[in-house]
Amino acid sequence: EAGVAQSPRYKIIEKRQSVAFWCNPISGHATLYWYQQILGQGPKLLIQFQNNGVVDDSQLPKDRFSAERLKGVDSTLKIQPAKLEDSAVYLCASSPSRGAGGGRETQYFGPGTRLLVL
Amino acid sequence: SQQGEEDPQALSIQEGENATMNCSYKTSINNLQWYRQNSGRGLVHLILIRSNEREKHSGRLRVTLDTSKKSSSLLITASRAADTASYFCATAKAAGNKLTFGGGTRVLVKP
Repeated sequence: EAGVAQSPRYKIIEKRQSVAFWCNPISGHATLYWYQQILGQGPKLLIQFQNNGVVDDSQLPKDRFSAERLKGVDSTLKIQPAKLEDSAVYLCASSPSRGAGGGRETQYFGPGTRLLVL
Repeated sequence: SQQGEEDPQALSIQEGENATMNCSYKTSINNLQWYRQNSGRGLVHLILIRSNEREKHSGRLRVTLDTSKKSSSLLITASRAADTASYFCATAKAAGNKLTFGGGTRVLVKP
């Protein structure tokens, strides 16, 4: 089974520019997550989708970050305008569905997009 | 804020030795998971333990959970150079799947 795909793998931009990341989850996975991982720290959840609906975006800086999952499959995460502190790895993950049992709590991560804001 | 805190932050051992790392958390949980992250790569799920379980094994991995102390430990036995990675614990408050990660333990296994 193909894993979670993300692109681009690396991105360098200047502050105040815009950037977008793309994620294709594992086929059939209803739940999709975007995490931000700052160097030396653990991942922090930005947003969680169940199909094409938002389940949790409480830690998403909505003044500059936006995300969508229009058809319940692929997702894009956008930053506009970027700040220096947005330099991080952005990880996408998916899981079969919300709820317990049958390994549905396991999240499968993509390789991440490493963003450097200068 | 991060729910879990790993200890130690870094660990260096010789190949063949055991590696133990601990995770403490603050609020009640439904389950606790451990993930591994190799340098520059995504996270890989290792093992999940539910709040009503005390110990689980998977290959060379052994995880314990003490809900009274709000802590968990991950033991890697007979470590290999390929075990060099960062290890993260993550907690879920409910079966709804939102995970809160700790800061990780960086493990170096020297050949």
